[in-house]
Amino acid sequence: AQKVTQAQTEISVVEKEDVTLDCVYETRDTTYYLFWYKQPPSGELVFLIRRNSFDEQNEISGRYSWNFQKSTSSFNFTITASQVVDSAVYFCALSNRGGSQGNLIFGKGTKLSVKP
Amino acid sequence: ETGVTQTPRHLVMGMTNKKSLKCEQHLGHNAMYWYKQSAKKPLELMFVYSLEERVENNSVPSRFSPECPNSSHLFLHLHTLQPEDSALYLCASSPSGGIYGYTFGSGTRLTVV
Repeated sequence: AQKVTQAQTEISVVEKEDVTLDCVYETRDTTYYLFWYKQPPSGELVFLIRRNSFDEQNEISGRYSWNFQKSTSSFNFTITASQVVDSAVYFCALSNRGGSQGNLIFGKGTKLSVKP
Repeated sequence: ETGVTQTPRHLVMGMTNKKSLKCEQHLGHNAMYWYKQSAKKPLELMFVYSLEERVENNSVPSRFSPECPNSSHLFLHLHTLQPEDSALYLCASSPSGGIYGYTFGSGTRLTVV
């Protein structure tokens, strides 16, 4: 069975702090894809990153970085020098198939509050 | 217009009303989805359409009725809803399944009174 666990329900930090959002996944497939989405108060889920299971290189995009570790089935997301605009709910998701049945499996999300 | 567009953004309806939510995408995607997001159960998948054919219905009550007339449009028809149906309803589309991720609309905030 596939499953995504985001153990942190809510995190609160002060601006300029670094923060890491945890994501642990379960799948029996060797080929799969992992995602992070951001949902600001406006409601729309915004795509942040997609990684496939064969690419374990960490990725950095500005203040955002992702750490993919197959050994621990984790795909953690770090925001460096957080800003108030980073306040949102962040979702980790997993997919292992294309076609009509390859639905995204979402975690329950982590609500991040960045205070000035 | 690009992306996924949902209308209306906000909707208040009585339990005896009939209303419809609309979703439109101009991304050339083949699959479209309805999600319900409430405080108690975040991101529940309701329906999946692939090439205009419904391929998944996750035990959704019959008071929710989806319609996909073509690959660019998706509707969610609502009738005799309950207060617990109040939630954010999100539409999404994808090129094919989930491996490329989904593009989401901004959602319709539904309140049933």
